[in-house]
Amino acid sequence: EVKLVESGGRLVRPGGSLRLSCAASGFIFSESEMLWVRQAPGKGLEWISFLSSSGSSYADSVKGRFTISRDNAKNSLYLQMNSLRAEDTAVYFCARSALLNSNGYYLYYFDSWGQGTLVTVSS
Amino acid sequence: DIQMTQSPSSLSASVGDRVTIACRASQSIGTYVNWYQQTPGRAPKLLIFAASHLHNGVPSRFSGSGSGTDFTLTVSSLQPEDFATYYCQLAYSNLFTFGPGTTVHIK
Repeated sequence: EVKLVESGGRLVRPGGSLRLSCAASGFIFSESEMLWVRQAPGKGLEWISFLSSSGSSYADSVKGRFTISRDNAKNSLYLQMNSLRAEDTAVYFCARSALLNSNGYYLYYFDSWGQGTLVTVSS
Repeated sequence: DIQMTQSPSSLSASVGDRVTIACRASQSIGTYVNWYQQTPGRAPKLLIFAASHLHNGVPSRFSGSGSGTDFTLTVSSLQPEDFATYYCQLAYSNLFTFGPGTTVHIK
């Protein structure tokens, strides 16, 4: 069974830093691309970062402040968040990517998600 | 950047109704769209990938269609467990923008 468990969320002051973790099990983590998504209270989903074998991508709202990384030996995905702002307050989800590869058509879709971890940025 | 919009933002429906949710991209994106369902306090669940492919285990009352800029998620006969928020997602060129969501309420 695929399982993703996020951790590390807590109350942090504006301008502070935090590292979130996502522990993966039940699949070959080293072969999977991964995604971080967040959801502010009462709001919709916002993708923030994606990590593939060819590199990483970020939403404009976090570019330059957040860094995605992984440790395949620990089956873990990370999100280093710096210069945190009140608007970063959200539940943060990690998700596993699957790839549809058909005749040169490539599409990533996200078939397994963690339960989320809450980050609150407030003074 | 490519923007994703959805309509309506919310709707009220009854069990057994056919429901259609629209998603529009600000530029042509082929079939690079996924659809998710989310209930309060829970993680999103994948329903449809590549615009029209039903994910394993998702009931066949869900279907997706469209290409280019206009996409549709249809629930053929709404069930009590389908009252939720639905999101389309761009999945193109390492960008994964979500639409703002459509909430389906019980009438």
